[in-house]
Amino acid sequence: SAVISQKPSRDICQRGTSLTIQCQVDSQVTMMFWYRQQPGQSLTLIATANQGSEATYESGFVIDKFPISRPNLTFSTLTVSNMSPEDSSIYLCSVEGGTGGYEQYFGPGTRLTVT
Amino acid sequence: RKEVEQDPGPFNVPEGATVAFNCTYSNSASQSFFWYRQDCRKEPKLLMSVYSSGNEDGRFTAQLNRASQYISLLIRDSKLSDSATYLCVVNPRGGNEKLTFGTGTRLTIIP
Repeated sequence: SAVISQKPSRDICQRGTSLTIQCQVDSQVTMMFWYRQQPGQSLTLIATANQGSEATYESGFVIDKFPISRPNLTFSTLTVSNMSPEDSSIYLCSVEGGTGGYEQYFGPGTRLTVT
Repeated sequence: RKEVEQDPGPFNVPEGATVAFNCTYSNSASQSFFWYRQDCRKEPKLLMSVYSSGNEDGRFTAQLNRASQYISLLIRDSKLSDSATYLCVVNPRGGNEKLTFGTGTRLTIIP
């Protein structure tokens, strides 16, 4: 499976500011995914990021709030904009396993606290 | 009805016992099924894929029942290190890469 790293691993941010989270993969992948896991909850898909095209957002998530970049096949960023305490969550990126079975492998996550 | 439903537990099981979890899914067109394990404050990690014929990996056995739309995970001879949250994950729309996660079942193995 791919080795995935995320930066930062955690951050405490003030309300109204923005944070950009980086996701780096050790191999080229077509699709990358961004998830949110709120405290005590399961994972919710924010968007799917393909290299060279606009990200596809899930219902309830919009580009203005969560802009995503995918400049190449090994890297993506997610920005959480104009943060509020409700954005406090763990943000995870993932990639497909590449076997055709749709399994995904996850980065270690970014733990965000908004005060 | 939720796309993927699990009993949240917690399941508190003595070491060495056998424990089983079930998970139901709503979309009969779902094609791919997985069990993930998530330790506290860690990312989810793929435990095993679930195949139509059922599959086994050491102490872990996964089964799929398409007629009743559920998947199961059986853990035999449970170890303390099996304590974690187990997430049932489904590819609900077949041929589409999106995954839907259950809320997880919390398992604690008691010495």
